[in-house]
Amino acid sequence: NAGVTQTPKFQVLKTGQSMTLQCAQDMNHNSMYWYRQDPGMGLRLIYYSASEGTTDKGEVPNGYNVSRLNKREFSLRLESAAPSQTSVYFCASSDSRASSGNTIYFGEGSWLTVV
Amino acid sequence: AQSVTQPDIHITVSEGASLELRCNYSYGATPYLFWYVQSPGQGLQLLLKYFSGDTLVQGIKGFEAEFKRSQSSFNLRKPSVHWSDAAEYFCAVGPSGGYNKLIFGAGTRLAVHP
Repeated sequence: NAGVTQTPKFQVLKTGQSMTLQCAQDMNHNSMYWYRQDPGMGLRLIYYSASEGTTDKGEVPNGYNVSRLNKREFSLRLESAAPSQTSVYFCASSDSRASSGNTIYFGEGSWLTVV
Repeated sequence: AQSVTQPDIHITVSEGASLELRCNYSYGATPYLFWYVQSPGQGLQLLLKYFSGDTLVQGIKGFEAEFKRSQSSFNLRKPSVHWSDAAEYFCAVGPSGGYNKLIFGAGTRLAVHP
């Protein structure tokens, strides 16, 4: 029972490098999300995709781009990494039906360090 | 503005003692409320959620939470803490911005003394 799978789990980047975080879910969920987690700040939404073919900005979208490749996959790209993007990134998904109660299911996280 | 406040950054309890983690929210309508737990190096696991009905909600691992509309609170409780409960706990409220987005509190880190 995979749930939400994200790769890579750990990555070190140099300032200015680019990379893509991959995410896939096998729960047939319509909605997918990318959050970042920083100490003392909880989780903050970077981008989300309400359904296949749509994406929207969250609280902290600057410096990131996303692609909803299909219903299963939602990738997060850092075009030119900055030290301020050092964080733990979580991909998540949810069933968009009201009966689901907005429950969001998370991946195990990707630890990104930008030096 | 919608927000979630977890007033306690760190809490330490002895194994076997009772636990209450506080969560206060600001929300313009009837919220959906969640508690998630994060063990070190892991993702977030849903403990319990409230979105209608009985205001006392039972979750996994022996946790429960009570929704108190008059106090805008959704405190998490456990009658007897186990060492394996040491983790970080996040309260969240949604939906936000008209869709399935959650706003998270900053988290409470729980330490358990043997």
